[in-house]
Amino acid sequence: GAVVSQHPSWVICKSGTSVKIECRSLDFQATTMFWYRQFPKQSLMLMATSNEGSKATYEQGVEKDKFLINHASLTLSTLTVTSAHPEDSSFYICSAYLAGSYNEQFFGPGTRLTVL
Amino acid sequence: GENVEQHPSTLSVQEGDSAVIKCTYSDSASNYFPWYKQELGKRPQLIIDIRSNVGEKKDQRIAVTLNKTAKHFSLHITETQPEDSAVYFCAATLGGAQKLVFGQGTRLTINP
Repeated sequence: GAVVSQHPSWVICKSGTSVKIECRSLDFQATTMFWYRQFPKQSLMLMATSNEGSKATYEQGVEKDKFLINHASLTLSTLTVTSAHPEDSSFYICSAYLAGSYNEQFFGPGTRLTVL
Repeated sequence: GENVEQHPSTLSVQEGDSAVIKCTYSDSASNYFPWYKQELGKRPQLIIDIRSNVGEKKDQRIAVTLNKTAKHFSLHITETQPEDSAVYFCAATLGGAQKLVFGQGTRLTINP
């Protein structure tokens, strides 16, 4: 149980375009999901907390107008990178919090974004 | 802001020896401390975690210790094997919230 999927697993896009990444909890409902970004050989950096039915909470330094988050259902959160640039190339990972699991987060497999 | 410091950044040990990775945290309200193993291009995999009301937890060759007073926790891997080679991250919750702050990571290499 507690499986989280992400789609796509990798994406290549041109500079200036927008890219949407989906994060789904497959066998549980997640009122809270998290989005992380990981650059090569670096740690996971929390970008935002996605709350079902309400606005996302962004970490300091993360542009909310550039990284649009929508959590319209209890099993789906989406991250849209708008007007992507090469510096946005990174590994994006989501996680979902399972209520009653004492803070344990279940991670998706990640999405490798390359902006040309 | 609140942060988690992890040391060492790289660690190389002989197969069969023990490996220890240490982390310190700054938020005294942190109450959950997971450790993750991440292989290249893969998701972080939870290997062990500890809650603030426990001082030590063991699962076969892996153990974690927590010193709340000193605000540090450590991962211990005994009888290391080549498949233990990976990057390991510690993390801590921010206050009583669900948000996790990650350490910088340790690249562990097990030499046959």
